[in-house]
Amino acid sequence: NAGVTQTPKFQVLKTGQSMTLQCAQDMNHEYMSWYRQDPGMGLRLIHYSVGAGITDQGEVPNGYNVSRSTTEDFPLRLLSAAPSQTSVYFCASSPVGQGNYNSPLHFGNGTRLTVT
Amino acid sequence: GQNIDQPTEMTATEGAIVQINCTYQTSGFNGLFWYQQHAGEAPTFLSYNVLDGLEEKGRFSSFLSRSKGYSYLLLKELQMKDSASYLCAPLDSNYQLIWGAGTKLIIKP
Repeated sequence: NAGVTQTPKFQVLKTGQSMTLQCAQDMNHEYMSWYRQDPGMGLRLIHYSVGAGITDQGEVPNGYNVSRSTTEDFPLRLLSAAPSQTSVYFCASSPVGQGNYNSPLHFGNGTRLTVT
Repeated sequence: GQNIDQPTEMTATEGAIVQINCTYQTSGFNGLFWYQQHAGEAPTFLSYNVLDGLEEKGRFSSFLSRSKGYSYLLLKELQMKDSASYLCAPLDSNYQLIWGAGTKLIIKP
């Protein structure tokens, strides 16, 4: 049981390049989400999905796209990388919602992205 | 607006007790989570409170007062491995998590 798997672990991009951060979970969780974590700030929600075929925007969606074609996978696409997108990105899943009642989020190990 | 307030950094001694406070202002409330995050790693779930009072889990306990918008995490018999950041995250009326910036706890021998 791998839990939530994120790839790659590290990535360096040049401004304007695009890329996809991969996220997969093997727990049959309906809810999946992407966060970014920056120094001195709380985790900020980028996009989330409550099930296959359903996605929605979080607090900071600009510059990012997502899709959810299967229950297991939730990739995050950076359309045209900017230095402001330098951050640590976490994918997280739970059976239902963001931590509905006693159902906490399970996080992947993160992707450390630098945009130069 | 919604706001979470936690101390930025705390220092404690191995074997001692430390209390990490969190005050929050959210649009509605549906419970509060505490997560632990070691440097360079992912957050991991510690506790969840939805009713007032103390929840105990081994060396860790979490307290909630909904009327005061206040929670704390109590860590007993501190160990070096408890050096980490502790994230407070209440759920608002839309079941959205509102994350604090976290408290970095440094344990000294």
